[in-house]
Amino acid sequence: EVQLVESGGGLVQPGGSLRLSCAATGVTLSNSEMNWVRQAPGKGLEWVSFISSSGTPTYYADSVKGRFTISRDNAKNSLYLLMNSLRAEDTAVYFCARDRSIFDGSFDCWGQGTLVTVSS
Amino acid sequence: EIVMTQSPATLSVSPGERATLSCRASQSVNSNLAWYQQKPGQAPRLLISGASTRATGIPARFSGSGSGTEFTLTISSLQSEDFAVYYCQQYNNWPRAFGQGTKVEIK
Repeated sequence: EVQLVESGGGLVQPGGSLRLSCAATGVTLSNSEMNWVRQAPGKGLEWVSFISSSGTPTYYADSVKGRFTISRDNAKNSLYLLMNSLRAEDTAVYFCARDRSIFDGSFDCWGQGTLVTVSS
Repeated sequence: EIVMTQSPATLSVSPGERATLSCRASQSVNSNLAWYQQKPGQAPRLLISGASTRATGIPARFSGSGSGTEFTLTISSLQSEDFAVYYCQQYNNWPRAFGQGTKVEIK
């Protein structure tokens, strides 16, 4: 069974940093294009970032560009999101999600999410 | 940047009835459109990709149609487990974008 498990969320002060991780079981992430998607409390889904199976290219939403960095370690079968200069509006549940295929950017596998709260 | 607009925001439907959800893109996304279902406290679940292809394990009562800028998700006969929030998502252009969601509630 394919499973994605996020970790690393928590409470952080405005301006602070946090690194999220997404570990995969039942699937070899090195073959997959991956994403981060977030959902603020009571709100809709917002795509955050993409990374190809090889690590490049990467893409970001304008709302996080220059502050967040997506990366992966295929040897560890893991995906990461380094979040700097965090703002209150970054408060959300962050999901990692897999592209269905290299030709299909729908998300066929999701983690359960990790909550990031930015507050003083 | 492509903006995805879903309507209605809330749809009240009785069990067994048909539900029709709409999604409009601000410019053409060809058939690069997905639909997701999300229940409270859960991650979204992929229902439809390529505008009309059901994902693995998705019941036949879910169907998608459309191309270009206008898309529809139809649930032919609502079951109790179908009451949820539904999102469309385009993956034709960067940045990828979701609609704001349609909540399907029990009438």
